[in-house]
Amino acid sequence: GQNIDQPTEMTATEGAIVQINCTYQTSGFNGLFWYQQHAGEAPTFLSYNVLDGLEEKGRFSSFLSRSKGYSYLLLKELQMKDSASYLCAVRGGGSYIPTFGRGTSLIVHP
Amino acid sequence: DTAVSQTPKYLVTQMGNDKSIKCEQNLGHDTMYWYKQDSKKFLKIMFSYNNKELIINETVPNRFSPKSPDKAHLNLHINSLELGDSAVYFCASSQGTSGVTDTQYFGPGTRLTVL
Repeated sequence: GQNIDQPTEMTATEGAIVQINCTYQTSGFNGLFWYQQHAGEAPTFLSYNVLDGLEEKGRFSSFLSRSKGYSYLLLKELQMKDSASYLCAVRGGGSYIPTFGRGTSLIVHP
Repeated sequence: DTAVSQTPKYLVTQMGNDKSIKCEQNLGHDTMYWYKQDSKKFLKIMFSYNNKELIINETVPNRFSPKSPDKAHLNLHINSLELGDSAVYFCASSQGTSGVTDTQYFGPGTRLTVL
């Protein structure tokens, strides 16, 4: 199986930048996903990394280092609506089904 | 246009009852999933199914069974409900099973409360 570790909670100020880290251990790594989940809603896809480096999508960027078993999600120009849980999910171990971390609850305050 | 839909959204029932949750996707995807999200927000895979293969998480009790009448539907049947089954159940689908095409699209969730 996969071991995935994320901080439980983070707080940040509106307009700032925040970095949410995810570390993982798996054999046969085959992709890492980031999802956003607002309270009481379904997870929605944010980004996918399978090669080392940075993927940028508007205010959100995701980075992967396979050798370090490490990824981060970078959120710029934070808005109040970015308050949500951010889930890191890793695919590996010969399975096509991603395993989810416990998620990081991000609170954005004025 | 709802991509992945689930019914009901809320389900309150007594211990020992049998219940079903329905899931439909109109994305033309080949693979569907059921996840359980507990009170600690941990999202755990229960089943994955495409038209060729059913993958079962071995930790899921056999009181839970998926049923797929066709590629667009994957329903979840739960027998003899227990208090610990209380959680939010999410259905999801993906186009494929490799690369970015297996990005999962989630339904709105069904909040199950067992009394």
